[in-house]
Amino acid sequence: GAGVSQSPSNKVTEKGKDVELRCDPISGHTALYWYRQSLGQGLEFLIYFQGNSAPDKSGLPSDRFSAERTGGSVSTLTIQRTQQEDSAVYLCASSLVVRATDTQYFGPGTRLTVL
Amino acid sequence: AQKVTQAQTEISVVEKEDVTLDCVYETRDTTYYLFWYKQPPSGELVFLIRRNSFDEQNEISGRYSWNFQKSTSSFNFTITASQVVDSAVYFCALSGANTGNQFYFGTGTSLTVIP
Repeated sequence: GAGVSQSPSNKVTEKGKDVELRCDPISGHTALYWYRQSLGQGLEFLIYFQGNSAPDKSGLPSDRFSAERTGGSVSTLTIQRTQQEDSAVYLCASSLVVRATDTQYFGPGTRLTVL
Repeated sequence: AQKVTQAQTEISVVEKEDVTLDCVYETRDTTYYLFWYKQPPSGELVFLIRRNSFDEQNEISGRYSWNFQKSTSSFNFTITASQVVDSAVYFCALSGANTGNQFYFGTGTSLTVIP
């Protein structure tokens, strides 16, 4: 596609429910990144994928968070048993490869609100 | 440690004034990359510039200019003759060749240009 797309754009859920956030990267980009932006905060790195592999999961805030990527394209970030502190904008980015020189192109984000 | 500090949380200027956004970084890498992103009210992060640690030449692009100084670990961003459309949150980011390709973002500077 022309850019990184994310769905849904907004998600309101009740505390304790599970949510799935989807990211569709730019076609041909093998690297995919997830970030979280809480209100008034900077960007918090969560996880990155090179292809379908996620070599470093240390950025995930808790074991309630998981992410997968299949077919080297679409990725899903799953939050189980959501808590109010999970409310944030979740941003996805992609780049050609996982390399510090590669520019990351960001999607519009999913705004998650946990009631 | 890898860290990016944007000490200015919010800045307001009157249209046509010049404004400089500060960015100070810390890294143990000898090869690293610095970035600036713009996040307009629509929310989608937009890439502005990437500089590598070997190139300290200042960069100018239209009304935008960047001053990279390794001696002070700073990568400041100046907007000349600001316009209302420049109103956004601006993020400085750092990526190191030896830090797993993670991006470290500052907390952002919110710029408001008053007409």
